[in-house]
Amino acid sequence: KAGVTQTPRYLIKTRGQQVTLSCSPISGHRSVSWYQQTPGQGLQFLFEYFSETQRNKGNFPGRFSGRQFSNSRSEMNVSTLELGDSALYLCASSLESNGGWEFFGPGTRLTVL
Amino acid sequence: GESVGLHLPTLSVQEGDNSIINCAYSNSASDYFIWYKQESGKGPQFIIDIRSNMDKRQGQRVTVLLNKTVKHLSLQIAATQPGDSAVYFCAETPISGGYNKLIFGAGTRLAVHP
Repeated sequence: KAGVTQTPRYLIKTRGQQVTLSCSPISGHRSVSWYQQTPGQGLQFLFEYFSETQRNKGNFPGRFSGRQFSNSRSEMNVSTLELGDSALYLCASSLESNGGWEFFGPGTRLTVL
Repeated sequence: GESVGLHLPTLSVQEGDNSIINCAYSNSASDYFIWYKQESGKGPQFIIDIRSNMDKRQGQRVTVLLNKTVKHLSLQIAATQPGDSAVYFCAETPISGGYNKLIFGAGTRLAVHP
């Protein structure tokens, strides 16, 4: 099976712009989670989707949003980008509906200038 | 490659030695724990997991120990190899939460020297 894929791998934006990141989970996985990784804060949970429904959201401002499609592919969007949004954004998928281990993609490296 | 953490604690070991990486978890309700390995430029990779009804689990060259009394996890790597050099994260999650969400530790960088 192909692993979790994320596009694009690298992205450079300027402050105030918005960005959309895409994630394709492992075939058959219906749960998709997003994490932000920074040197200062480490790996932090953004949100999780299951069958097109957001089931849980981390402690991030409303500028961070996401959605999941009927084929389980997911997108996350960040509006009005700030310098502090520069990070590695990781997508993970899980076969389990809850409490399962998650398979991670390679991430999208976002740089905000 | 991308840096996953510029100020992580580092464990330096000689090739062939055993490594022990420690982690303190925060949530008493967590009942499932996972160790991930992250190499430069890659996403975290599953190594081994353990449920709260166990205190030890062994894999190939790796062992995870869980001490629920003091909320402590450790990862033991036997005969450490240069390919084990990476950042290691522990993660916790409640199985009964009705969703998937991992809470990660800060990570430890393992440097293996020949």
